[in-house]
Amino acid sequence: GAGVSQTPSNKVTEKGKYVELRCDPISGHTALYWYRQSLGQGPEFLIYFQGTGAADDSGLPNDRFFAVRPEGSVSTLKIQRTERGDSAVYLCASSPGQGASDTQYFGPGTRLTVL
Amino acid sequence: AQSVTQPDIHITVSEGASLELRCNYSYGATPYLFWYVQSPGQGLQLLLKYFSGDTLVQGIKGFEAEFKRSQSSFNLRKPSVHWSDAAEYFCAVGPRAGNNRKLIWGLGTSLGVNP
Repeated sequence: GAGVSQTPSNKVTEKGKYVELRCDPISGHTALYWYRQSLGQGPEFLIYFQGTGAADDSGLPNDRFFAVRPEGSVSTLKIQRTERGDSAVYLCASSPGQGASDTQYFGPGTRLTVL
Repeated sequence: AQSVTQPDIHITVSEGASLELRCNYSYGATPYLFWYVQSPGQGLQLLLKYFSGDTLVQGIKGFEAEFKRSQSSFNLRKPSVHWSDAAEYFCAVGPRAGNNRKLIWGLGTSLGVNP
C-alpha cells in the first residue's frame, strides 16, 4: 500500500513569510508525528498526534509553529513569520497507534529553505 | 538529560567486510531502542527495534543489534557489508509508557562502502 507522503517536496520562501507543509499518513494509522532534521543532525521531535488531538507538542520550538490534524488523517504543519533558522527538512511519520512500541513509518520529507 | 551518542560520524568499510556501528544512550529508565537507515532521497526506514526479551535482535537486510543494559549500548552489526548498505544510520530511543512518544535520536553515522 501507499506509504507516508509529504507535499511539497521542496519549499523556498522568504524570511517573514507563512508556510504550510502537508502530510498524508498511511491509511488507518491513528498516530502521526512531525520531526525536523537539520543538516548533519538526527531528527528532532516536534509534535505527536493521536487521532485529531496533539498528545505531545513539547518539541515545537516556539509559538510560530503550529500543527493541525482536523479529521485524524492528513496533518498540516504551519510556520508563521519564517526565519532563516527554520531551514531544514521536515519529516512526517505515522504509526498504527497501538502504543509506545509502534514502528514509525517516515515520509520522504519536505525541504524548507528560508531565504 | 536524555541523549543518544553515536561516536562515529563516518565509517568506511570494504564490501564484504564486517560492520559495527556504535550507539550509547542516557535515558533514566531502559527505553525502547531503534535503528533506522536513511538513504539519499529516501525516507527513514526501520532496521530493527528492541523492546524486551532476547537482547540480540535481528532486523532487515541482514542487520542485527545487541542490547547491553550494563553499558547502555545498542550496537548495530552486519557480518558482510554490501555496496547498497552505504547510507546514514541513526540510533533512536523512546519511552516505554505514557503519552510521550518523543524519540531521541543520535547524530547519525555515515557509512561508506569501498568496492
